[in-house]
Amino acid sequence: GQQVMQIPQYQHVQEGEDFTTYCNSSTTLSNIQWYKQRPGGHPVFLIQLVKSGEVKKQKRLTFQFGEAKKNSSLHITATQTTDVGTYFCAGPSAGGTSYGKLTFGQGTILTVHP
Amino acid sequence: KAGVTQTPRYLIKTRGQQVTLSCSPISGHRSVSWYQQTPGQGLQFLFEYFSETQRNKGNFPGRFSGRQFSNSRSEMNVSTLELGDSALYLCAIRDPLNNEQFFGPGTRLTVL
Repeated sequence: GQQVMQIPQYQHVQEGEDFTTYCNSSTTLSNIQWYKQRPGGHPVFLIQLVKSGEVKKQKRLTFQFGEAKKNSSLHITATQTTDVGTYFCAGPSAGGTSYGKLTFGQGTILTVHP
Repeated sequence: KAGVTQTPRYLIKTRGQQVTLSCSPISGHRSVSWYQQTPGQGLQFLFEYFSETQRNKGNFPGRFSGRQFSNSRSEMNVSTLELGDSALYLCAIRDPLNNEQFFGPGTRLTVL
């Protein structure tokens, strides 16, 4: 079945350092979404990428969708303690009949040391 | 903005029991999805309901079932609970304009 792999599993950074998490799908994706989950919280939607090679920015966050639409990345510039949490990528499941069925990556747990 | 409430927030059960969890989309969205989150398996899709019909189902045993009511509220049921069913169960609704999924706070189920 479809697999979405995310690396690294953990990332510890000093406040002010940059952070990047990578996502790879075993199948071509029609779109990819990114979510953030704070400790003890629930996933919160960050962004959706649809086009091949698409790059979107949200303040210090930069999201990229690969040319083959099988990989994506999230880069955070100058991390802050508020960036702490788990970052997930997710794509519509292969063979799914709607976008309500997502396959999630395992997530990257980000800790930021002040 | 859309929202989702889930009840109960926390639940403790013993092996062999059954449990019913509830999800209520505040804005009356017709599509409701359920996910199971565990440290080992991560976020896994359980099922999706749309207008009271199950539209998609994940790879979970038949002990996991769900339904949706005419007011869009959804329930999921797990029968004959096993220790491995301990997890955070999340309900989500989808914004059809941008596919954004709004997750509820989840129900933390502990099976002893």
